[in-house]
Amino acid sequence: EIVLTQSPDTLSLSPGERATLSCRASESVSRSFLAWYQQKPDQPPKVLIFGTSSRATGVPDRFSGSGSGTDFTLTISRLEAEDFAVYYCQQYGYSPFSFGQGTKLEI
Amino acid sequence: EVQLIQSGAEVKKPGESLKISCQVSGSTFSNYWIGWVRQMPGKGLEWMGIVYPATSTTRYSPSFLGQVTISADTSVNTAYLQWSSLKASDTAMYYCARHGLHTEHTWFDPWGQGTLVTVSS
Repeated sequence: EIVLTQSPDTLSLSPGERATLSCRASESVSRSFLAWYQQKPDQPPKVLIFGTSSRATGVPDRFSGSGSGTDFTLTISRLEAEDFAVYYCQQYGYSPFSFGQGTKLEI
Repeated sequence: EVQLIQSGAEVKKPGESLKISCQVSGSTFSNYWIGWVRQMPGKGLEWMGIVYPATSTTRYSPSFLGQVTISADTSVNTAYLQWSSLKASDTAMYYCARHGLHTEHTWFDPWGQGTLVTVSS
């Protein structure tokens, strides 16, 4: 089973700043099958990035994903108020398709 | 527009059985893997397992194998998550979500709105 470890657990930043979120896998993720989700309070998660670096429909271009193998990054170039939420990575290469524990992005 | 509509909140006692549902509308049903995700209060997302309705093939996380049963009924475009004997530790929000066409090797999109299950004596 692939274990995903996200860091940091909490990231405190201000609007306009750049956010860098990390996701490290215990073994190599197959074919870059890695996604990032955003979850706001009392809402289901929403996909932001799939295939490591492809933005989902309607996702602003300030969100970008990168990485390969065991190390992946979600970058938000200039934070807006609506971006403060919890972010999860997920690998969907090997079952069970595990999630990271989440990074809370707070103001 | 594809929508996953989940059944309503449930309050149950320990030892009781439960089956919650996830109906898919706006899309074909049989050829998309449907998954279930648990979120305990104040905690992160946990992948439980998936079902391919066309063949009823299932895959489970080791953490949930034997604890729950995932199934699907193509006649009503609905996937299910069921327990035979609930525990207090099953208290959580449960989300269903859909993978891509024919393959489970895609991200989850879209998601259902969630079903809150509360187990308390």
